[in-house]
Amino acid sequence: GAVVSQHPSWVICKSGTSVKIECRSLDFQATTMFWYRQFPKQSLMLMATSNEGSKATYEQGVEKDKFLINHASLTLSTLTVTSAHPEDSSFYICSASYTDTQYFGPGTRLTVL
Amino acid sequence: GENVEQHPSTLSVQEGDSAVIKCTYSDSASNYFPWYKQELGKRPQLIIDIRSNVGEKKDQRIAVTLNKTAKHFSLHITETQPEDSAVYFCAASIGNQGGKLIFGQGTELSVKP
Repeated sequence: GAVVSQHPSWVICKSGTSVKIECRSLDFQATTMFWYRQFPKQSLMLMATSNEGSKATYEQGVEKDKFLINHASLTLSTLTVTSAHPEDSSFYICSASYTDTQYFGPGTRLTVL
Repeated sequence: GENVEQHPSTLSVQEGDSAVIKCTYSDSASNYFPWYKQELGKRPQLIIDIRSNVGEKKDQRIAVTLNKTAKHFSLHITETQPEDSAVYFCAASIGNQGGKLIFGQGTELSVKP
């Protein structure tokens, strides 16, 4: 139980394009999902908290107009990186809360050329 | 703001020895402390967690201790095996913020056969 999927697992895009990443809870409903970014050999940095049916809450320093989050259902949250630039290249991981425990998706490696 | 400090950043042990990783937290309202194991390029996997109403929890070769007064908690791995090699992250819940976690910096554990 408590399986979280993420799609795509990797993506390469040109600078200036937008990329959408999906996070799904497969066997439970998640009113709250979280989006993290992880640079090589670094810890998980929380970007935002995604709540079903309401606006996401962004951490300090994270541009909400650049990282658009939509949590349209109890099993799906999406992160769209708009006008991506090379500095946005990173490993993006989502997590979903189930009985107060966070379970992580497999991550999406984004490379912006 | 809230903070979690994790030590050491790297740890190398011989197979069969014990490994100990320590974390301290700043938010006195934290009440949930999970530990995650992350292999290279993979998702963080929950290995054990503890809540503030207990001081110790054990699961086979893994144990976690919590000292709420001192605001620190530790992960203990006994009889280490090469497959225990990974990066380990501690985390602490942020009080009254819907399951948000703040992560430590990570410990790269290497178990030498």
